[in-house]
Formats: sequence, structure tokens, C-alpha cells
Amino acid sequence: EADIYQTPRYLVIGTGKKITLECSQTMGHDKMYWYQQDPGMELHLIHYSYGVNSTEKGDLSSESTVSRIRTEHFPLTLESARPSHTSQYLCASASGLEAFFGQGTRLTVV
Amino acid sequence: GQSLEQPSEVTAVEGAIVQINCTYQTSGFYGLSWYQQHDGGAPTFLSYNALDGLEETGRFSSFLSRSDSYGYLLLQELQMKDSASYFCAVGILTGGGNKLTFGTGTQLKVEL
Repeated sequence: EADIYQTPRYLVIGTGKKITLECSQTMGHDKMYWYQQDPGMELHLIHYSYGVNSTEKGDLSSESTVSRIRTEHFPLTLESARPSHTSQYLCASASGLEAFFGQGTRLTVV
Repeated sequence: GQSLEQPSEVTAVEGAIVQINCTYQTSGFYGLSWYQQHDGGAPTFLSYNALDGLEETGRFSSFLSRSDSYGYLLLQELQMKDSASYFCAVGILTGGGNKLTFGTGTQLKVEL
């Protein structure tokens, strides 16, 4: 059983608010990823990390930022949410090519 | 740049065998993996190939040909519960580490 957790599962927030989506894993993986996925669509890589204090932007440009201060924790922050940020955000950690996903955060910005 | 292509939709009958193809173009390639995602759920890992050839895991098998930049997922003895989206993902070595980029996904519909 994969141990990777995301909170909150659902979030409805007003435009302009700052939000942080939490992601934690207990598997000791160095590699972690954030993906953005709209319903029925592909997963877009927005950020990734290969260890503590290492973060990189992904394939899809995003206004969000990430940090990796501890191996197990990889939060994603939006400084000022907009309706265009409405989507599902999926966090994953990986050992080699095997990635484990959290249940996702469905974000709605009104 | 990079690209991954999969068929958008495949339909098959229960008990049949289906193959979902994935072609890729990228530098820094180090392997191909496959994931299943049911509606409303998170992707779950199925199989991976770091070397050429066939990997078998129960009813699911995956194949890779690095020289052809091509791989496929083979599902045998299809069941209704196999109706889902299937994604291939390429592992890519970058200057800043390595990343996992997903394909466009294939919607599999299993019919009676």
C-alpha cells in the first residue's frame, strides 16, 4: 500500500486568496512530482523535485511554487488564486519509474 | 522538445486481448511506465520497462523498443473493471534530476 497523502481533498476558495496544497509521503522517496489534470484530460507536469532543496519547473508553465525542505514533504503554493487555476492537482513520489499518487486535491476558485 | 502519442480511445469485448501503443520523442529517455486511472480516481502504477523487451505482470504486459521509440501495454482476458484511462509515461534525465512526463492517455471501453 502506497503511503502518500494530499490535503485537502476538495477546496473552494475565492479569487485572490493564497493557498497551499499539502503532500506528504512516508516511503523515503527522493523524487516527487506535482501534476495538474482537468477531467478526462492528460496529466501535465508542473513541478518536480529530486531531493531536499532541489525543485524544478515542469513541462507546463504554472504560477504556483513549491518547496522541498524535508524529504517527506512537498507542498504547492498559489500566492493569488484565480478561476483559471481551477483543476485537480495530483502529487506523486517515485522510486525509479514506479510512481505512487496521492488522491489529489480538487481546487475550485470562484 | 518532447512528445508522447497514444490512441485516444480503444474498444474491446470482455475476455479479449487489447494492445495500447505509445510512441515517444524525447532526449534523455531512460524508461517507459504505464498507469491506469479510473474516473474520479488517482493513477495507479501497472508496469515499467527500462530495457528492451517484454515485462509480464499477471494479465498485464508491457513492451519497449528503444530503437523504435515505441512501447505498448497488453491487457489479456479483459474484464469490465478494466474500463479506464491508460497512460504511458517516459522517464527523462534532465540537468536538474529526472522527471516523469505522461502521454495523452487512452480511454479503454470494455463491452460485453
